This record gives sequence, structure tokens and C-alpha cells, in this order.
Amino acid sequence: ILNVEQSPQSLHVQEGDSTNFTCSFPSSNFYALHWYRWETAKSPEALFVMTLNGDEKKKGRISATLNTKEGYSYLYIKGSQPEDSATYLCAFTSGTYKYIFGTGTRLKVLA
Amino acid sequence: NAGVTQTPKFQVLKTGQSMTLQCAQDMNHEYMSWYRQDPGMGLRLIHYSVGAGITDQGEVPNGYNVSRSTTEDFPLRLLLAAPSQTSVYFCASSYEQGGEQYFGPGTRLTVT
Repeated sequence: ILNVEQSPQSLHVQEGDSTNFTCSFPSSNFYALHWYRWETAKSPEALFVMTLNGDEKKKGRISATLNTKEGYSYLYIKGSQPEDSATYLCAFTSGTYKYIFGTGTRLKVLA
Repeated sequence: NAGVTQTPKFQVLKTGQSMTLQCAQDMNHEYMSWYRQDPGMGLRLIHYSVGAGITDQGEVPNGYNVSRSTTEDFPLRLLLAAPSQTSVYFCASSYEQGGEQYFGPGTRLTVT
């Protein structure tokens, strides 16, 4: 059974702090790793789709790195703002049409 | 574009009733899927489709049926609702294999 794990489960940071969280996934049969942002009472929205070992993606203050050989990805948020408060999900796919989601990291940014 | 739409937003069923959750997308995506989201668990795949007429089971298919007669629509049928099916259901679509998924707004289902 393929397993995707995210850590930490939740964290609180002060406005202006930088933070990061981890997604661990199977290192074999890798096709793509996705990051989604999920705000309360909304639906998940894609942040990044990462496909190559060593890939780095950036969108504003949010960036992500990928290590497919060891099976992990980091998501970084620089200078956290209250509007960054959300659950951040990662999802692994091995090239089938099945996406395996982690349980998410719930981020709360305190003003 | 409306993107991915789902109806209804909320539904309460009694045990043993049946119903259909509707999902539609107007982006001409071949791939569509249904997930359920339960507290403390990640999104779990129920069924998916890679094109009209083609469906397959995901991780938790029992108690659910799907069909895909058109590219746009992918309804999820609950045959005999059970309290264990109380959940939030999300439909998603993507343009290509392994590609970014677009999610609908979700349907919150309670089975009493």
C-alpha cells in the first residue's frame, strides 16, 4: 500500500516568520508530486506540480523542492502572512490515474 | 468557464436510501475522479474515469457506483446509504495523466 506522509500535522507561526513542512512519498515508480492549498470551506487549489528530481518551484513567497531518490518534498513559506493560513496537501502519483494524498499540514499564521 | 461544479452542496439521507451526487466540468478534461474526505484522513479516491465510457475503482469503492456517458459529467451513486458514508465528497478533473487537478466545491453528506 502506497503511503504519503506529511509533517507536522499542524503548526502556528507568527506573522513574518518563515516556515516549512515536509511531504514523504514512495521513492519508486515516481511520476509527479503535487502541492495543494486548501482554505477552510473552500476546495483544494493546486500550487505546484513537480516532476523532476531536484525540481524547485516558486510562486510569490511560496516555494517547493523535490527529491525523488529519497522520496521527499519540502514546501517553504517566506514571511508568513495571515492569509497563508490554510491546510497544505501533497499528493503523489506513480503515473497511473491514481493520486495518493497525505493528510495535510494545517498552518495558522497569527497576526 | 464554470470549472468543476457539484450538486447538491448539502444532503441528509436516511440509512438505506439511495442518491446521486452530480459532478460536471466544462474544461474538456478526460480525467475525472471522486474523493471522500473524513476527519484525520487524507482525500481518499473512490472511483475515477479516464474518458467517456471508462471508469475504474479507487481506494474505497464499496457502496458507490459511477458511470461516464459524456466527457462533461461524472455522477456518483450511493446505492444503499450507510452512516459510514457520512463525509464530504469532492469531484476533481485534470487535463492529463498526473496533471494538476481542479476540484469542485464539495458535497457534505450526512447519513442518519
